[in-house]
Amino acid sequence: EVQLVESGGGLVQPGGSLRLSCAASGFTFSDHDMHWVRQAPGKALEWVSAIGTTGDTYYPVSVKGRFTISRDNAKNSLYLQMNSLRAGDTAVYFCASGTGTPIDWGQGTLVTVSS
Amino acid sequence: QSAPTQPASVSGSPGQSITISCTGTSSDVGGYKYVSWYQQYPGKAPKLIIYEVSIRPSGVSNRFSGSKSGNTASLTISGLQAEDGADYYCSSYTRSSTLVFGGGTKLTVL
Repeated sequence: EVQLVESGGGLVQPGGSLRLSCAASGFTFSDHDMHWVRQAPGKALEWVSAIGTTGDTYYPVSVKGRFTISRDNAKNSLYLQMNSLRAGDTAVYFCASGTGTPIDWGQGTLVTVSS
Repeated sequence: QSAPTQPASVSGSPGQSITISCTGTSSDVGGYKYVSWYQQYPGKAPKLIIYEVSIRPSGVSNRFSGSKSGNTASLTISGLQAEDGADYYCSSYTRSSTLVFGGGTKLTVL
């Protein structure tokens, strides 16, 4: 059974940084693209980043230059380094696996950006 | 990259069929076969119910079906059941090698 467990969320001040982690199990992690998707309270899903099996990375304009996605295949782990955080980054952040489209999802971790 | 447009809400009675549209552009929905649909209950993670326009993952009810015409993708739910009441999101691959989600549709089963 695929399991994705996010951690690292919490309260951070505007301009601060946070690193999210996602522990994967139940599948061959290195064979799958991985994604981060976020959802602000009461709002729609928003794709945040993806990393391919060869390490190529992709971002929307809204986070490019501030967020960095990475993976450690030896640890079956996915990461999201978030810098220069803004109030608009407040959301539940989901980790998801899947090539071409997010297929399996974790339960999410809440990030709150507030002073 | 603008989000594909979905109706904010749709409703139907048990047993009826409903269709949710997802209208994008030739740079996303209209240009690729990588259109997916997700079902999400409040406080829960999304669940993939359709991928590559019309393919159902294993375990998803055949009451869910997907299609696409031009720049608009559609999700049809037939034989509505109370448990289908949820939020539904489309997503699409884009020309910029990114993904984009639609604004979401709240389905109410009357």
